[in-house]
Amino acid sequence: AQRVTQPEKLLSVFKGAPVELKCNYSYSGSPELFWYVQYSRQRLQLLLRHISRESIKGFTADLNKGETSFHLKKPFAQEEDSAMYYCALYNTNAGKSTFGDGTTLTVKP
Amino acid sequence: KAGVTQTPRYLIKTRGQQVTLSCSPISGHRSVSWYQQTPGQGLQFLFEYFSETQRNKGNFPGRFSGRQFSNSRSEMNVSTLELGDSALYLCASSPTVPGPTGELFFGEGSRLTVL
Repeated sequence: AQRVTQPEKLLSVFKGAPVELKCNYSYSGSPELFWYVQYSRQRLQLLLRHISRESIKGFTADLNKGETSFHLKKPFAQEEDSAMYYCALYNTNAGKSTFGDGTTLTVKP
Repeated sequence: KAGVTQTPRYLIKTRGQQVTLSCSPISGHRSVSWYQQTPGQGLQFLFEYFSETQRNKGNFPGRFSGRQFSNSRSEMNVSTLELGDSALYLCASSPTVPGPTGELFFGEGSRLTVL
């Protein structure tokens, strides 16, 4: 069975502060992990994928297989980063993505 | 490219009725998956279709069904509606290079209210 856990439902930081959104997973195969973001009144959209190893909007995420984690980080949070963030694990064989419960990030001025 | 389009956007039904939701994927995407989003359960996987074949189904009763057409458009159907079926139903398409990549492009959803 595959499972994704986002331990924080709510996370609040001040503008300019570092932010880390936690994601842990359990999966017996080789994981493909993603972060999705939903800004207010917008559709859910892909933020980044672990394979691409790119930085999107200043966010990065590193897959740590030893700790089965895929935490999302940004060194200096901006107010426009306020949104709901979902971590997701994709099972290639089953064509199924499992999502965490999401973390609502609020960046205060 | 046009994004994923879902219709209808909002609908209200009564218990016992059935509903059909439609999804048009991004052009060229052959994988379509459906998710149910509720405040209490979050995003729950319903099913995924690739080249008109259902590859996987989530833990939902048989009242939930779907299909995919040759043009990759997909529909999902919920029969004998229950109050607990009230939710936002999200469709997502995925590029296929050559198989699904896991990158999901979501529609805006169909919000179903069951009275």
